[in-house]
Amino acid sequence: AAGVIQSPRHLIKEKRETATLKCYPIPRHDTVYWYQQGPGQDPQFLISFYEKMQSDKGSIPDRFSAQQFSDYHSELNMSSLELGDSALYFCASSLAGQRREQYFGPGTRLTVT
Amino acid sequence: AQTVTQSQPEMSVQEAETVTLSCTYDTSENNYYLFWYKQPPSRQMILVIRQEAYKQQNATENRFSVNFQKAAKSFSLKISDSQLGDTAMYFCAFMNPPEGGSYIPTFGRGTSLIVHP
Repeated sequence: AAGVIQSPRHLIKEKRETATLKCYPIPRHDTVYWYQQGPGQDPQFLISFYEKMQSDKGSIPDRFSAQQFSDYHSELNMSSLELGDSALYFCASSLAGQRREQYFGPGTRLTVT
Repeated sequence: AQTVTQSQPEMSVQEAETVTLSCTYDTSENNYYLFWYKQPPSRQMILVIRQEAYKQQNATENRFSVNFQKAAKSFSLKISDSQLGDTAMYFCAFMNPPEGGSYIPTFGRGTSLIVHP
């Protein structure tokens, strides 16, 4: 069965650079969620989209933005990167009517040097 | 705000034995969902089991089962016949979607389980 795809899987950036993470949900899933997991931490919710509209907002810094496109894939844009942004970024997707079941992607490991 | 507490940062178990991971939560809501996620060394987040609060019967998925005590706000995970592949970080999560559908889970801090051969 198709799973959530995230790209790239690993990314190394320097401070003050920008980064774009991509998420391709499971086919027919219309809701996408972004999470940040720091070293030794639990996942923290950043933002979610349903049918291309932002549906919930969590602890997402103002330096970050995200959007969902017409094909339901989503991109997380991160600017003015800081050392503290180094983390594993998960994308999850769900189907309308079954939003309690979120399927996670493999994550993108971002390292800011 | 809901909180999820996993009081065991680390646990270990011998292969083929049984282990129980504990989780407690705090909420004033009556309808909610509880989850256990597994995060192996690959860091992939995998849903292990889900429990709806309105269901009295404990959820079971093969070797994984839960002991859901609603009054005590407790949601423990039992892994029977532990296998080396069960070595992972296990996260307990709580979800309380309000009217209008916000499905954002609150995670505990995790329990690192090591299965020894």
